[in-house]
Amino acid sequence: EDQVTQSPEALRLQEGESSSLNCSYTVSGLRGLFWYRQDPGKGPEFLFTLYSAGEEKEKERLKATLTKKESFLHITAPKPEDSATYLCAVQAGWRGSTLGRLYFGRGTQLTVWP
Amino acid sequence: SQTIHQWPATLVQPVGSPLSLECTVEGTSNPNLYWYRQAAGRGLQLLFYSVGIGQISSEVPQNLSASRPQDRQFILSSKKLLLSDSGFYLCAWTHSGTVISPLHFGNGTRLTVT
Repeated sequence: EDQVTQSPEALRLQEGESSSLNCSYTVSGLRGLFWYRQDPGKGPEFLFTLYSAGEEKEKERLKATLTKKESFLHITAPKPEDSATYLCAVQAGWRGSTLGRLYFGRGTQLTVWP
Repeated sequence: SQTIHQWPATLVQPVGSPLSLECTVEGTSNPNLYWYRQAAGRGLQLLFYSVGIGQISSEVPQNLSASRPQDRQFILSSKKLLLSDSGFYLCAWTHSGTVISPLHFGNGTRLTVT
């Protein structure tokens, strides 16, 4: 059973067409939620950390928000260079480990066409 | 600033041959180090993590092993590769001493076992 679910699996947008990606989670004891961008053949690139419900973070055309059970990555007026796979990961407490446990979603593949 | 180096970028190996993938981190001390495998459509799977020299934790039983001979060096090995070992291998690090710290990934190694 997936602990972190991302939707949609794939999204095609025209340049300038704003939209949102969703990351919902069922893990308890949330410590933090992370968003990453991954280009083909590359490692994931860290974008944001969100710690508690109501928090928001922004970077250029991206804005991440967090509620108690889900996070959204809003993309405003996207450009073709925003095309990538966006991954969500949730860090939760685990067995007293200071590292916690990190659960990854399977990602949303975003394509922005001109 | 911190950087992570991972090599080689691509590798084609025959079944039964040994494997050694290396990862080094610069610009930080005593990082937590990780090896992940990413399979298409299946997300990121944690293979090993290390909180210090010689300290390795394995997440799943498999044909692979990891070692940390130096503070900022992490090695993924196999004595005899299987076809099922093919995949995209990612090394990552986090700061030690902080409970919530995002992973920072290298650019990965695409391993094809033939």
